[in-house]
Amino acid sequence: EVQLLESGGGMVQPGGSLRLSCAGSGFTFSKYSMTWVRQTPGKGLDWVSDISGSGGRTYYADSVKGRFTISRDNSKNTLYLHMDSLRVEDTAVYYCAKDGISSSGGYELDYWGQGTLVTVSS
Amino acid sequence: QSVLTQPPSVSGAPGQRVTISCTGTSSDIGAGNDVHWYQQVPGTAPRLLIHTNKNRPSGVPDRFSASKSDISASLAITGLQAEDEADYYCQSYDSSLGGRYVFGTGTRVTVL
Repeated sequence: EVQLLESGGGMVQPGGSLRLSCAGSGFTFSKYSMTWVRQTPGKGLDWVSDISGSGGRTYYADSVKGRFTISRDNSKNTLYLHMDSLRVEDTAVYYCAKDGISSSGGYELDYWGQGTLVTVSS
Repeated sequence: QSVLTQPPSVSGAPGQRVTISCTGTSSDIGAGNDVHWYQQVPGTAPRLLIHTNKNRPSGVPDRFSASKSDISASLAITGLQAEDEADYYCQSYDSSLGGRYVFGTGTRVTVL
């Protein structure tokens, strides 16, 4: 059974940093692109970042480019999102999700974690 | 990055049929990219409902169906049930520079 388990969320002041983790199990982790999607309370889904199966290619939404860094450790089956210079508008539930088909991404997201809440507030 | 346009809400009585539209642009759906649909019950994570325009993953009831045409797509729920009350999102791929995954604005389905 495929499982994705996020951790690392919490409350942080504006300008602060936080690192999210997503542990995957039940599939060959390195074979699939992984994605972070966030959802502001009461609002829709927004793509944040994704990374190829090997970790060699990374992509970012304009809103987080230069502040967030996505990475993965395939030996630990774990995906990360390091968030710096956090802003109030980064407050959201952050989900990790697995690509349904490939290591390069851009397809459907077939499994999602339960989400972790990040609150940026003074 | 672009956003796909969906109606904010649709409603129907149990047993009825409802449809949700998803309109994109020439950079996403209109560029020939596939459309996928997700169901999100409030307080839970999204769940893949339809992939690659019209295909249901194992375990998804056949009362859910979808189609795609030109720059839009649609999701239909026939024989609406109380458990279908949720938010529904379409998703495609943005072929423009810097784009990647693009989501719809979301539609709340209410079962009357």
